[in-house]
Amino acid sequence: GNSVTQMEGPVTLSEEAFLTINCTYTATGYPSLFWYVQYPGEGLQLLLKATKADDKGSNKGFEATYRKETTSFHLEKGSVQVSDSAVYFCALSASAGGTSYGKLTFGQGTILTVHP
Amino acid sequence: GAVVSQHPSRVICKSGTSVKIECRSLDFQATTMFWYRQFPKQSLMLMATSNEGSKATYEQGVEKDKFLINHASLTLSTLTVTSAHPEDSSFYICSARDGRQGIDQPQHFGDGTRLSIL
Repeated sequence: GNSVTQMEGPVTLSEEAFLTINCTYTATGYPSLFWYVQYPGEGLQLLLKATKADDKGSNKGFEATYRKETTSFHLEKGSVQVSDSAVYFCALSASAGGTSYGKLTFGQGTILTVHP
Repeated sequence: GAVVSQHPSRVICKSGTSVKIECRSLDFQATTMFWYRQFPKQSLMLMATSNEGSKATYEQGVEKDKFLINHASLTLSTLTVTSAHPEDSSFYICSARDGRQGIDQPQHFGDGTRLSIL
């Protein structure tokens, strides 16, 4: 079946530090890949997405590249801010066919805390 | 962008009460909605997939008689936690997919409902 594995947190950084959150996946076919962010007490917001190999998703300074050869979709940001403190989820959406069609499979989430 | 409204945001009630949570897509037609449960500091667990006009599909281990899902229109799905008990306390989140878009497009999430059973 499909699965997503994220690096374990929590991750604690100082403001303006470089961020990497690793994400690898297992899936049949050609899934779409997403990063979602969850602020305390809220639902999930889409951060970025990539739908095919070598696509780069980007938003608000965050980037992630769909690497089919390494089945990875690592999240990066060059300079984090205190306001980036949240929980980040990597997810995949199964491709056509089967009972998993259209469902999202989430990683376990990574808590990021950024200090001033 | 697409907006999903979830209501209420917080519920506190006594054990044995049934609680209904609504999930509405405000500016698109959601042929499919999903209900998740999230425990503290954990990931989202898919409970069921709700398709407009048909019965929900429940994930393994989720009690369908406990968690009643109705998707009567293209913009509304409801989750009713029947005879809730303290172990049902959790954060429940819904998401919706625009029926006109492919599965490479993201699901849109509500802000969640914090359910606390005393």
